[in-house]
Amino acid sequence: EAQVTQNPRYLITVTGKKLTVTCSQNMNHEYMSWYRQDPGLGLRQIYYSMNVEVTDKGDVPEGYKVSRKEKRNFPLILESPSPNQTSLYFCASSPLTGLARNKETQYFGPGTRLLVL
Amino acid sequence: AQSVTQLGSHVSVSEGALVLLRCNYSSSVPPYLFWYVQYPNQGLQLLLKYTTGATLVKGINGFEAEFKKSETSFHLTKPSAHMSDAAEYFCAVSDRSSGTYKYIFGTGTRLKVLA
Repeated sequence: EAQVTQNPRYLITVTGKKLTVTCSQNMNHEYMSWYRQDPGLGLRQIYYSMNVEVTDKGDVPEGYKVSRKEKRNFPLILESPSPNQTSLYFCASSPLTGLARNKETQYFGPGTRLLVL
Repeated sequence: AQSVTQLGSHVSVSEGALVLLRCNYSSSVPPYLFWYVQYPNQGLQLLLKYTTGATLVKGINGFEAEFKKSETSFHLTKPSAHMSDAAEYFCAVSDRSSGTYKYIFGTGTRLKVLA
């Protein structure tokens, strides 16, 4: 089954304790991205990657890191989490090549709910 | 910078009535436009998108949207609401300016369908 998976789905941590949220897709998509969803603010893009070893900042990259060493994986790293990073996080992937009807259609993971105390 | 505005954070319609969710965008280049739906406790799912060509775009579940360049709008409609349409809807634009490949989402509209 074509899907984007995220782990963990729920995470409670404390300020300053480094954490990683994993994201994996099995559709061979070039583009992967991380978003955070906050009430009243919609989704805001944190980082994106257009292919292996190619990453770039979205609109809210502060406090986050990413890496793209393999095409299928795009982990989100919070080196020193703070309470203002409490949010619902989504990973997404999409093809950049191939059939026009498929390009730029983002497939979203189920989300990771993070609480930073 | 590109932006997306969704008018109305909450919209209520009766079952069987017309659904109209509004989206306006600002863009310095021809935009790619999207509508996504989010059901409770789930990720987002693409409803429809406009890239090029026909300005009236049909999507899943009977939804459609029309790209109106003169009005910078991409409103989502459905002729007859169903209870299963209750969800949150997000309009988004693909930002290709300055060599970027970002996506800008609106703040969302929560649709409530009344029996």
